[in-house]
Amino acid sequence: GAGVSQSPSNKVTEKGKDVELRCDPISGHTALYWYRQSLGQGLEFLIYFQGNSAPDKSGLPSDRFSAERTGGSVSTLTIQRTQQEDSAVYLCASSSQLLNTGELFFGEGSRLTVL
Amino acid sequence: SQELEQSPQSLIVQEGKNLTINCTSSKTLYGLYWYKQKYGEGLIFLMMLQKGGEEKSHEKITAKLDEKKQQSSLHITASQPSHAGIYLCGADGGNKLVFGAGTILRVKS
Repeated sequence: GAGVSQSPSNKVTEKGKDVELRCDPISGHTALYWYRQSLGQGLEFLIYFQGNSAPDKSGLPSDRFSAERTGGSVSTLTIQRTQQEDSAVYLCASSSQLLNTGELFFGEGSRLTVL
Repeated sequence: SQELEQSPQSLIVQEGKNLTINCTSSKTLYGLYWYKQKYGEGLIFLMMLQKGGEEKSHEKITAKLDEKKQQSSLHITASQPSHAGIYLCGADGGNKLVFGAGTILRVKS
C-alpha cells in the first residue's frame, strides 16, 4: 500500500481479554517500530524489528506484551490479559534503511480501550 | 537514557502570530527530528537536524539546532489554522527514536 496501515482503528475490549493489533508497513521497508501513546505519557517506544528479528524489545512493559513479524512485512502486537492501564493508542511506523534520514512513516494508530 | 523535554506543553495563538516551541535534551543530540500529529492521526515527519547550528525550513516552519547540540527550537511564522496539532521532537536513541511529550498548538481564527 501507499502508507502504513493499521487495524483495527478502534478496539474496545473487556479487562482480561487478549487483543491483537496489526501493522502493514510500507512495501520494502525493513525497519518496523511499535509505539504507545497515552494521555500524559507521550510517545513510548515498545519494540523495533529489523526484518523478522527484534533487536530491541526493551520497551515492552510486561510479559503480557509480545510482537512478531513475518515475511519481513506484517507485524502483530499481542496483549494478553488486558488491563485498564493498557488503554492507549498503539502506533506503528516503518522506515527504509536506504533513506538514512531517520524519517519514520507512521500509521494512524489503533485506539485500544480496556473496560 | 536520553530524555527530551518540550516547552510549552500547550499554547493557543491568534492566527497570524508567530510562535516558538523548544526541545531540550538531557544529552548531546546526534540527530533531532520534528514531527507533527493531528488529532486521531499518525505522526508526519517535518524535518531532521544533525549539525550544531543547523537551520532548516519547511514552508513557514523553521527549526534550529543549537551549537552545543542539546536544544532545538521550532518557529512558526504567521500561524494559520492548518498549523494546529501536536508537535513532537524526537532524538536518535540508537535503533529507535525517543520522543518528547509533545506541544499542543491551537490557532484561533
